[in-house]
Amino acid sequence: AQSVTQLGSHVSVSEGALVLLRCNYSSSVPPYLFWYVQYPNQGLQLLLKYTSAATLVKGINGFEAEFKKSETSFHLTKPSAHMSDAAEYFCAVSDPINTDKLIFGTGTRLQVFP
Amino acid sequence: DTAVSQTPKYLVTQMGNDKSIKCEQNLGHDTMYWYKQDSKKFLKIMFSYNNKELIINETVPNRFSPKSPDKAHLNLHINSLELGDSAVYFCASSQDGAGWEEQYFGPGTRLTVT
Repeated sequence: AQSVTQLGSHVSVSEGALVLLRCNYSSSVPPYLFWYVQYPNQGLQLLLKYTSAATLVKGINGFEAEFKKSETSFHLTKPSAHMSDAAEYFCAVSDPINTDKLIFGTGTRLQVFP
Repeated sequence: DTAVSQTPKYLVTQMGNDKSIKCEQNLGHDTMYWYKQDSKKFLKIMFSYNNKELIINETVPNRFSPKSPDKAHLNLHINSLELGDSAVYFCASSQDGAGWEEQYFGPGTRLTVT
C-alpha cells in the first residue's frame, strides 16, 4: 500500500533561514506527489505538485520540491523563511489504483521565529 | 466568491444526536470528497463522489452517509454521534478525480461531540 512519511512533526527556523521539510513515499509505480499547506483554522491549499514532468517543481510563495526517485523523496524547501510561512505542511501521494485518493503524511508544523 | 464552502463552521452536539454538514463547490468540478482530520492533524479520506456517483468509500462506520443531490453539492449526515467522531471535517473537490489534479479544500467544519 502507498504510504507517506514526513520526518519531523515540528520544524523551527529563524526568519530568513532555509526551510527544509522532509517527505518520503513508498510506491511501486511512479507516483503523483503533492505538498499542501494549512494555515491555522483554514482548509488545505496546494503549494506544488509533481506529475512526472520536471523533477524540480516550483510552487507558490517561493517553495520548491525535488523528486528523487532513487531516494523515494520529495522534500520541500524555501531559501528564506518568512513569518507568514508558519503553518502545517502536508505531503501527499496519489493511490495508484484509486487515483483520486490522496494519501497524506502526518504533517509538519513549521514555526518561524523573528 | 468562495470556491468550496461548508456549513456550519462549528458544530457542538451531544452523543447520540444526528447531524449534517453541507458542502457546495462553485468550480464546476465533477468530483467531491469528504476528509476527516483528527486531533493530531492526521487527514484521511472518507468518501469521494464523481458526478453524483460514489467512487471511494473507505472503512467508515455506517453511521456516516454521504449524499450528493447534484455534482455541486456533497453533504455528510452522521447518525448516533459518538465522542470519537469529534474532528474537523473537510470537503474538497477536483475537476475530474484524476490522480494528478489539485484538490480544492473547504474551510472545514469542527465537530465537537460531548
